[in-house]
Amino acid sequence: SQTIHQWPATLVQPVGSPLSLECTVEGTSNPNLYWYRQAAGRGLQLLFYSVGIGQISSEVPQNLSASRPQDRQFILSSKKLLLSDSGFYLCAWNRDRVLSGNTIYFGEGSWLTVV
Amino acid sequence: ELKVEQNPLFLSMQEGKNYTIYCNYSTTSDRLYWYRQDPGKSLESLFVLLSNGAVKQEGRLMASLDTKARLSTLHITAAVHDLSATYFCAVGSSGSARQLTFGSGTQLTVLP
Repeated sequence: SQTIHQWPATLVQPVGSPLSLECTVEGTSNPNLYWYRQAAGRGLQLLFYSVGIGQISSEVPQNLSASRPQDRQFILSSKKLLLSDSGFYLCAWNRDRVLSGNTIYFGEGSWLTVV
Repeated sequence: ELKVEQNPLFLSMQEGKNYTIYCNYSTTSDRLYWYRQDPGKSLESLFVLLSNGAVKQEGRLMASLDTKARLSTLHITAAVHDLSATYFCAVGSSGSARQLTFGSGTQLTVLP
């Protein structure tokens, strides 16, 4: 079965500091990978998605970036955090399986508080 | 641009009662999903609906899809406290296998 892990689970970072969130998927190959952000009490916003190694699509211009150095690894980064970057970050994956509806599955999430 | 609207945003209901959450979307889509999120937790997939008239049921939850009306409903039957959570619908953009647009969520509280 497939599993998705992301870490760290929680972190508190000062404004202007760098960020690195990591996500790995096990039990599948060539997944589509996603980073979503959920601000407190809000819905989900797609930040980045990737359909393959080195292929990153950005949905929202901001001071965040993403990279996919390996097939099942997805990294979210920032060089300098802003207060507005605080939120719940969710990594997710799916496969292009039309019959199963391409359901997206989410990791456990990472709580980021920028102070 | 695909827009997804859920209502109500907040719902308090008594145990044993029935209620429906609505999800409207603005453009043609071939995929509609329902997710559940417990406080401080990630999202759990509940249902995926792929065709007009599709109906799926799991326990006290039943989801349906009307693609002509661009409407999905999540019906709760005889609510119990364990159903308290935030429920999100999400819609796939037609022609894209990969991206979802989420509604704002419905925060459901089931009172004893």
